[in-house]
Amino acid sequence: DTAVSQTPKYLVTQMGNDKSIKCEQNLGHDTMYWYKQDSKKFLKIMFSYNNKELIINETVPNRFSPKSPDKAHLNLHINSLELGDSAVYFCASSQDFRDHGYTFGSGTRLTVV
Amino acid sequence: RKEVEQDPGPFNVPEGATVAFNCTYSNSASQSFFWYRQDCRKEPKLLMSVYSSGNEDGRFTAQLNRASQYISLLIRDSKLSDSATYLCVVKLTTADKLIFGTGTRLQVFP
Repeated sequence: DTAVSQTPKYLVTQMGNDKSIKCEQNLGHDTMYWYKQDSKKFLKIMFSYNNKELIINETVPNRFSPKSPDKAHLNLHINSLELGDSAVYFCASSQDFRDHGYTFGSGTRLTVV
Repeated sequence: RKEVEQDPGPFNVPEGATVAFNCTYSNSASQSFFWYRQDCRKEPKLLMSVYSSGNEDGRFTAQLNRASQYISLLIRDSKLSDSATYLCVVKLTTADKLIFGTGTRLQVFP
């Protein structure tokens, strides 16, 4: 059983399109996150949600809109895609953060052409 | 200045070698510390938490020096399967988010 699952794994799309990435966790965690890993491999947080409530929005352009229908799901919708949005997007979840860190999904590799 | 700094490497070591990675963090409000491992084209996976007293997990030993804001990871008896990027990670008292270093790449050769 996959603990944190993301779909799709790969996404190639043209500039200007709108796309969504879905994430689900079956760990019973209360908090979920979206991270972006750029071409230099630097991982940076974008959003966090705790029990469906937005906690962190790390100055991400408002073309990016997360949605959490319930605490097991956190989806990411991106409008008007730009070349610079090309990256790997990781979903993660955590419960008892202090001791156990986060569990990451396998990532969605987004390529904007 | 980056919040978490690491030497990017690569560190190329033979099997059986001992290798050490260092990391410094800039925010004294950092509360929790971790080492993650990331294989090529895979997600980061938690290797170990780092405690103030230092801790060991098999061949891996982590140390924390809060006064110097410095974290280390020692890998003994390196295996080919240890080849990966090792990410130094901190969490602040002020926000529930992990802050990642850029990672140190390790390549173990036969």
